Amino acid sequence: DTGVSQDPRHKITKRGQNVTFRCDPISEHNRLYWYRQTLGQGPEFLTYFQNEAQLEKSRLLSDRFSAERPKGSFSTLEIQRTEQGDSAMYLCASSLLKRGSSDTQYFGPGTRLTVL
Amino acid sequence: QQQVKQSPQSLIVQKGGISIINCAYENTAFDYFPWYQQFPGKGPALLIAIRPDVSEKKEGRFTISFNKSAKQFSLHIMDSQPGDSATYFCAAKKWDTDKLIFGTGTRLQVFP
Repeated sequence: DTGVSQDPRHKITKRGQNVTFRCDPISEHNRLYWYRQTLGQGPEFLTYFQNEAQLEKSRLLSDRFSAERPKGSFSTLEIQRTEQGDSAMYLCASSLLKRGSSDTQYFGPGTRLTVL
Repeated sequence: QQQVKQSPQSLIVQKGGISIINCAYENTAFDYFPWYQQFPGKGPALLIAIRPDVSEKKEGRFTISFNKSAKQFSLHIMDSQPGDSATYFCAAKKWDTDKLIFGTGTRLQVFP
């Protein structure tokens, strides 16, 4: 399968713990995105990268959230000192920038986080 | 503030019928309007997308109708099938960013 993959698929943690999620984009896709989706809502943008550069970060994103894409391939999203309100599905997507446009974003299956 | 408003929240259609989902937006800087389909436990998958320079785009049983003056766009699913039962999201993106702004979703159920 050559789609976007995410690991783990499910994570249960206690409030106050740190968690880290990994995303592997479609091979050769140079843009990578993180979204968060809560039950009954549409995905909400968190941040995105072009290669290893973080181009945009949501103003809603707390300082407890950090994302990296160190070698321009896979990305990690870390949440420090988790809170119950962080419980959500974390979605990763990737796209290929070409001719100044990279419209189609391909989503992975997501990581479901439950904070107890 | 919801930048992309989607309706209805849920929709029940009989097999073979037409499913219609509507979205409205305010920001005239939006220049890309995709529709995504999401099954339970899966990530969203792109169905069809349109840019404001055309009023309609059709791919198989799926059609987007776009009304630039009204700032509205809609998804039509012809000959709806039980396999179409899923949640559908409209979205929009401005020309100067790759950030997708999603609607709140429509849960479609197609009964045989």
